[in-house]
Amino acid sequence: DGGITQSPKYLFRKEGQNVTLSCEQNLNHDAMYWYRQDPGQGLRLIYYSQIVNDFQKGDIAEGYSVSREKKESFPLTVTSAQKNPTAFYLCASSIQGFGQGETQYFGPGTRLLVL
Amino acid sequence: AQSVAQPEDQVNVAEGNPLTVKCTYSVSGNPYLFWYVQYPNRGLQFLLKYITGDNLVKGSYGFEAEFNKSQTSFHLKKPSALVSDSALYFCAVPGGGNKLTFGTGTQLKVEL
Repeated sequence: DGGITQSPKYLFRKEGQNVTLSCEQNLNHDAMYWYRQDPGQGLRLIYYSQIVNDFQKGDIAEGYSVSREKKESFPLTVTSAQKNPTAFYLCASSIQGFGQGETQYFGPGTRLLVL
Repeated sequence: AQSVAQPEDQVNVAEGNPLTVKCTYSVSGNPYLFWYVQYPNRGLQFLLKYITGDNLVKGSYGFEAEFNKSQTSFHLKKPSALVSDSALYFCAVPGGGNKLTFGTGTQLKVEL
């Protein structure tokens, strides 16, 4: 988990509420990612960013939004349009985000629960 | 599409015995393959990866993985299991859009 911090560890969302998950890295990596983990389904990519002020949708972007204003930070907002947000959210980073053999390093995760 | 499969949801092994966690892959071209481990309520930790070269890849915490092209497999191994190795293990392969495509995970339980 070293070098990537996520907060909070647990987050509770009320009906119709937007919530934001924080991800910060001090690894000087260009690329950052958000994955969602559900039991028995592995991890699925929500959004990724290879450079500041640019990001791309992953496989399950609907109901989520991101920003990349600083190299170190890649916050994820879970909007009210995401009807099934309960999951474990993992942020990751890699050096450049272009090479197929590039290792992604993960943060400790945020567990989002719906009240 | 690039994909990996982990055929076993759970593997049980006695402490001190060798362990194997299985992974098979389906990729076009030369494969890049990864293993990660996840402890309860924690993020994923990188164990090792295969890019090219030796078929036996050594990684963290005494783990190694054997790449077998003819069987399209990349099994994770350790000669002597520890109780502390009990965790969820994921095999992964790079997919489109800079993502890693993960298997569904194998729960390893090492018992005394």
